[in-house]
Amino acid sequence: EVQLVESGGDLVQPGGSLRLSCAVSGFTLSDHSIDWVRQAPGKGLEWIGRTRDRANSYTTEYAASVKGRFIISRDASKSSLYLQMNSLRTEDTALYYCTALIDDYWGQGTLVTVSS
Amino acid sequence: DIQMTQSPSAMSASVGDRVTITCRASQAISSSLAWFQQRPGKVPKRLIYDASYLESGVPSRFSGSGSGTEFTLTISSLQPEDFATYYCLQHYIYPRTFGQGTKVEIK
Repeated sequence: EVQLVESGGDLVQPGGSLRLSCAVSGFTLSDHSIDWVRQAPGKGLEWIGRTRDRANSYTTEYAASVKGRFIISRDASKSSLYLQMNSLRTEDTALYYCTALIDDYWGQGTLVTVSS
Repeated sequence: DIQMTQSPSAMSASVGDRVTITCRASQAISSSLAWFQQRPGKVPKRLIYDASYLESGVPSRFSGSGSGTEFTLTISSLQPEDFATYYCLQHYIYPRTFGQGTKVEIK
């Protein structure tokens, strides 16, 4: 069974940093591109970034709203990927999903709240 | 960035109604469009990929059409479990962009 499990969401002050994790099982992480999608409370879905698969050298893409602040990385040995979030803003408050969009695999999300 | 504009943003409909949701892209995206359904408190679920292909297990009352800049999602006969928010997503170029969503509510 395919599973993606996010963790690391928390309350953080504006300007702070946080690292989210996404642990995957049931498929080989290196063979899949993984996206991060977020959803602010009561709002729509926003794509924020992707790490491509091994065949595409794990290269990354980001939305303009997070480029330069967020970094996606992988640890194949742990079947996990990460979203390092820096310089957080109140507008980054959202439920963060990791998802293999191509295959329609989704985690349940982890909540990040940026507030003083 | 490509802007995806859905219409309507919200609608009320009755069980059995035919429902059509439109998604317009700010530039041509070929057929690189997917439709997702999100029920309250749930994870999004893809219904349609590549504009018109039905995901396995999705009821045949759902259909998608279009290419270029204009796309539609049609529910031929609305069922109680279809009351949800629907999103389009373009995967033609980066950054990927979702439409703002269409909330389908019970009339």
